[in-house]
Order: sequence, then C-alpha cells, then structure tokens
Amino acid sequence: AQTVTQSQPEMSVQEAETVTLSCTYDTSESDYYLFWYKQPPSRQMILVIRQEAYKQQNATENRFSVNFQKAAKSFSLKISDSQLGDAAMYFCAYRRANNNDMRFGAGTRLTVKP
Amino acid sequence: ETGVTQTPRHLVMGMTNKKSLKCEQHLGHNAMYWYKQSAKKPLELMFVYSLEERVENNSVPSRFSPECPNSSHLFLHLHTLQPEDSALYLCASSYGTSGSNEQFFGPGTRLTVL
Repeated sequence: AQTVTQSQPEMSVQEAETVTLSCTYDTSESDYYLFWYKQPPSRQMILVIRQEAYKQQNATENRFSVNFQKAAKSFSLKISDSQLGDAAMYFCAYRRANNNDMRFGAGTRLTVKP
Repeated sequence: ETGVTQTPRHLVMGMTNKKSLKCEQHLGHNAMYWYKQSAKKPLELMFVYSLEERVENNSVPSRFSPECPNSSHLFLHLHTLQPEDSALYLCASSYGTSGSNEQFFGPGTRLTVL
C-alpha cells in the first residue's frame, strides 16, 4: 500500500524567510503524481503545486518549489519569501497513475511570524 | 456560486438521527469525491464517483450512503452514526479521476455526533 509521511507536525518561519516542509512516500510504482495542498484556517483546501514522477525537473510555482528525489521517495516543499498568508496546514499527497485513490499525509501546520 | 460548495457547514446530530450532506460543483467536472478529515489523521478517501457512477468505495461503513444524481451534485446520507464519526467531511471534484488532474475541494461540513 502507498503511504505518505510528513514528519513535521508543526513548523514555524519568520516572514520573508524560507522554509522547507518534508514529505516521504512509499510505493513500488514507477508512474505516479505528487501534490502539495494548502488548507488555510477557513478550511478550503487548494492545490499549491504538483509533480509528475516521470519528470526529472522540479516543479516551481512562483514562491513555491519542490525538491523531488525519486530514488529516495522524497518530495519536499520549499516556500521562499514567506508571507503571513502562507500560514496554513500543508498536505503532501500521492496518486498512482490511472488510479482514483489519492493518499494524503497527516499534514504540517505552518506558522508565519511577523 | 463558484467552485465547490457544501451545505451545511456545521451539523450536530444524535446517533439515531438521519441527515444528509450536500455538495455542489460549478466547475463542469465529471468526477466527485467524499473525504473524511479527522484530527491529526490523514485525509481518508471514502467514495469516488465518475460520470455519476461509483467507482471507489474504501470500506466505508454502511451507515454512510452516497448518492450522485448528476455530475454537479453529490450527497452523503447519514444514519445511526457513532461519536467516532465526528469529523470534517470534505467534498472534491475534478475533471477525470486519474493522474495529475487537480481535485478542487469544498469548505467542508463539520459534523459532530452526540
């Protein structure tokens, strides 16, 4: 079974600084997708960034980037120039290609200090 | 209304009650999902509907009964629930169910079972 582990229940970062959230996953598949979702206190979850496993290049979306290490089954999220609005729960998720089942980690609560 | 909406936002019910959660998506998607989010646990996928047919049922107790009358609406009918069913229930939708297709989430229904 595929599992997703987020080893940091809570993280804190100073405004304008950089923070990295960790995620590891377990799978025997070679074709899959990885996602980072953000859930602000209002609770509507939104997609931050996604990565296709067959792509070697790390995905980037503005201040958000990932470090995808396929051999190590690691998928960390880097947030640069942190803003107060980045404070939220962040969930790492895995989905096998051509499969309905999205597996989520337990989440990391990010606090941004002014 | 835009995106994915859920009603009610909060629900308190007794163990003998029958209630329904409603989800509506305004994105033209053809797949819809129910997730359960409990404190300090990963999101659990409950049901997946694709083109109004149920394609995934992750060993959910029969006291939860989904219904998808059309591609825009999804219901979760609840009866004789247990206190451990108290959680945030999230609805999501996507275009297609496979691969990198982004899931768009609703704000959730906070359910408390007394």
